[in-house]
Amino acid sequence: DAGITQSPRHKVTETGTPVTLRCHQTENHRYMYWYRQDPGHGLRLIHYSYGVKDTDKGEVSDGYSVSRSKTEDFLLTLESATSSQTSVYFCAIKKDPLDQETQYFGPGTRLLVL
Amino acid sequence: KQEVTQIPAALSVPEGENLVLNCSFTDSAIYNLQWFRQDPGKGLTSLLLIQSSQREQTSGRLNASLDKSSGRSTLYIAASQPGDSATYLCATLNSNSGYALNFGKGTSLLVTP
Repeated sequence: DAGITQSPRHKVTETGTPVTLRCHQTENHRYMYWYRQDPGHGLRLIHYSYGVKDTDKGEVSDGYSVSRSKTEDFLLTLESATSSQTSVYFCAIKKDPLDQETQYFGPGTRLLVL
Repeated sequence: KQEVTQIPAALSVPEGENLVLNCSFTDSAIYNLQWFRQDPGKGLTSLLLIQSSQREQTSGRLNASLDKSSGRSTLYIAASQPGDSATYLCATLNSNSGYALNFGKGTSLLVTP
């Protein structure tokens, strides 16, 4: 267990409402990532962070924003949820991107946008 | 942009068979390649990580090989068991996007008793 949790684990929301997903780590790792997983697409990077207040966009960042005000928490916000954002969201952490350890993944958040 | 392809998309084998899962990638400038296992409704569990300078890694009944020049990796599972049923994901680590992983779409494996 890599000490990474996600909340909520499941959420149903309506189109147009804001949604915030939380990733929390106890490992003090510098790098944190948000991916989404969809049938037929695999996992795709949404945003990542390389330190407190240091974030950048990934492949599918449109409609999402992130914040990292402290090392242990990385928040993903859907400002106005759309049905196309129905997905499973995974958070991942890594101490050093080029070391020989893997990225550790959280258990995922299943989001349904009606 | 790195493209990672996994073949086959799905595979069903009887218990006891040896099997090979394939992964190919377009950009050979990788730092490492990883194989993950994902059970239905669960997160990802790392199985094997091969550094770009390595040719293979082994863990129990699993053996992963890497041919960086040809852009290919294989995951060999010996003496398959029903508990091996899961989706197997291949991912490369490149220098793009904060060293995030580039994933294939996975191979869904079913091992029947």
